[in-house]
Amino acid sequence: GAVVSQHPSWVICKSGTSVKIECRSLDFQATTMFWYRQFPKQSLMLMATSNEGSKATYEQGVEKDKFLINHASLTLSTLTVTSAHPEDSSFYICSATRGGVDTEAFFGQGTRLTVV
Amino acid sequence: GQQVMQIPQYQHVQEGEDFTTYCNSSTTLSNIQWYKQRPGGHPVFLIQLVKSGEVKKQKRLTFQFGEAKKNSSLHITATQTTDVGTYFCAGKLSGSARQLTFGSGTQLTVLP
Repeated sequence: GAVVSQHPSWVICKSGTSVKIECRSLDFQATTMFWYRQFPKQSLMLMATSNEGSKATYEQGVEKDKFLINHASLTLSTLTVTSAHPEDSSFYICSATRGGVDTEAFFGQGTRLTVV
Repeated sequence: GQQVMQIPQYQHVQEGEDFTTYCNSSTTLSNIQWYKQRPGGHPVFLIQLVKSGEVKKQKRLTFQFGEAKKNSSLHITATQTTDVGTYFCAGKLSGSARQLTFGSGTQLTVLP
């Protein structure tokens, strides 16, 4: 199957700093990628849809100035958590589909962010 | 708003017992997908159902899509410890939506 690589797998940062998470489709082109947040023992909450070459589409309640998404190429999307606070600590995970929207989603390994 | 509900939230079974998780949508789904997430891991695609009333099997797993395309179920026969994890259903809620909406998930624990 297709491979989506997410980096880093975990990161600890100080409150007030920014953290960048990368999501790469290794063997296919992804015009659309999705960013999720998952709290312990809960479901995946869609944060935003990342569109190559255009602005991301954010879900209601997600601060676009805090969670900056850039989809500069067909294989790379980045999520930057700006001015991180302890409440931003979570598991962030990206996904991409290889073909149309009605195909399976391939997930990255996820990034465990801890803000201290 | 539109959402996908899943029950039960947690299920503990003895190894060898059967397990079923149910997924219900407030609106008609164009398709339903099922994913499994092992503890500490990321979701992995299991299957996609598209047709009304569709039934698909993968070894001990049986997936069903309701006639109205609003509900789905995953049944595991004779569970094994390797079945441990959280099972999510996910569907596309409207014709123009590009994203999947995930159910709340069912966390399965299999006791040896």
